[in-house]
Amino acid sequence: NAGVTQTPKFQVLKTGQSMTLQCAQDMNHEYMSWYRQDPGMGLRLIHYSVGAGITDQGEVPNGYNVSRSTTEDFPLRLLSAAPSQTSVYFCASSYSTDMNTEAFFGQGTRLTVV
Amino acid sequence: SQQGEEDPQALSIQEGENATMNCSYKTSINNLQWYRQNSGRGLVHLILIRSNEREKHSGRLRVTLDTSKKSSSLLITASRAADTASYFCATDTWGEGAQKLVFGQGTRLTINP
Repeated sequence: NAGVTQTPKFQVLKTGQSMTLQCAQDMNHEYMSWYRQDPGMGLRLIHYSVGAGITDQGEVPNGYNVSRSTTEDFPLRLLSAAPSQTSVYFCASSYSTDMNTEAFFGQGTRLTVV
Repeated sequence: SQQGEEDPQALSIQEGENATMNCSYKTSINNLQWYRQNSGRGLVHLILIRSNEREKHSGRLRVTLDTSKKSSSLLITASRAADTASYFCATDTWGEGAQKLVFGQGTRLTINP
């Protein structure tokens, strides 16, 4: 069981470039989410999805796009990278039908925008 | 905005001592969860306490929840060097059929051998 897998682990982008952060889970979880973690801070929710075809915005969605075409995958797209998007990005999944459930996190993608 | 505030921001103790971290939050919650993050790694779930529970144990971990004060504490007993990590509380408000975890800023725990 791989759990939640994120790729790439590290990425450097130039301002204005676009890229997609990949996230896949093999636990058949309906709920998936993306967070960003800035130095000395906790995680902030970017976007989330309660199932294939359904996505919604979190606390800090600007500059990011998501889609959910399958249960397993939940990619995060940076449309035009900015230095303010330099951060560590975490993908998480959990059972959405259980109101009291833990979230499983990937190992993170460390993104630097120069 | 951050829901939870954690205290202290950093804690350094000797191996074998107990470590206590506190978390305060602002709104009504469905449950409160604690996670550990080792340097450069993802978050690992430690324990979940429901809003109608007051105390929960898991191995060397003890979590309390006081919904009237909107606060929680995590106690790690008999600390070990391997407990060195950052610890985060996260409140789950479960809105619109979706888990909504809001994290605190974390406590950085250092266990000195």
